[in-house]
Amino acid sequence: EIVLTQSPATLSLSPGDRATLSCRASQSVRSFLAWYQQKPGQTPRLLIYDASNRATGVPARFSGSGSGTDFTLTISSLEPEDFAVYYCQQRTNWRLAFGGGTKVEIK
Amino acid sequence: EVQLVESGGDLVQPGRSLRLSCAASGFTFDNYAMHWVRQVPGKGLEWVSGLNWNGGTVGYADSVKGRFTISRDNARNSLYLQMNSLRVEDTAFYYCVKSLEIFGVIIEYYFDSWGQGTLVTVAS
Repeated sequence: EIVLTQSPATLSLSPGDRATLSCRASQSVRSFLAWYQQKPGQTPRLLIYDASNRATGVPARFSGSGSGTDFTLTISSLEPEDFAVYYCQQRTNWRLAFGGGTKVEIK
Repeated sequence: EVQLVESGGDLVQPGRSLRLSCAASGFTFDNYAMHWVRQVPGKGLEWVSGLNWNGGTVGYADSVKGRFTISRDNARNSLYLQMNSLRVEDTAFYYCVKSLEIFGVIIEYYFDSWGQGTLVTVAS
């Protein structure tokens, strides 16, 4: 079973800052990795799929990179609505899994 | 508009069974893989199970394999999760989740629409 480890657990930043979130897989997932954003009281929203493709309607300040075992979600300049929890997710055949999440909080 | 409405959550004792249902509307249900994802309030997401458009391919998390069974009825636009031998650690909100469609292509293993969840509480 592939395990995804996200770091840091919490990121304390100010609006306008650049956010860099990491997701590391215990073995290669090639580019089969997605990123989701979840705000309190809401269900997750897909941001990035296949490591670097933005989902429909996702602002350009969100970008994803990486392949194999190391992946990054970058938010170039944080907007107030970006403070949330972010999860990575992988698939290996029909075994899917999420990382533990990174909370981006206001400093 | 995609709608996914879960039902069947309840308070049950350890070792008992429960069946969750998800009623889907607003999209061509039998075109899409579907999944169950759970979340303990205040905690992270856990993929539970998924199946492809016709139920011919299914997958389970190790934590539920052998105890839970996913199924679908395309004629009824419905997804199900039969949960047996429930444990305290199965307590969570269970979400019915639709696979992603983007630019007309369906990607079975990413998620683009979620229901509002049904709460399963396992306690004595």
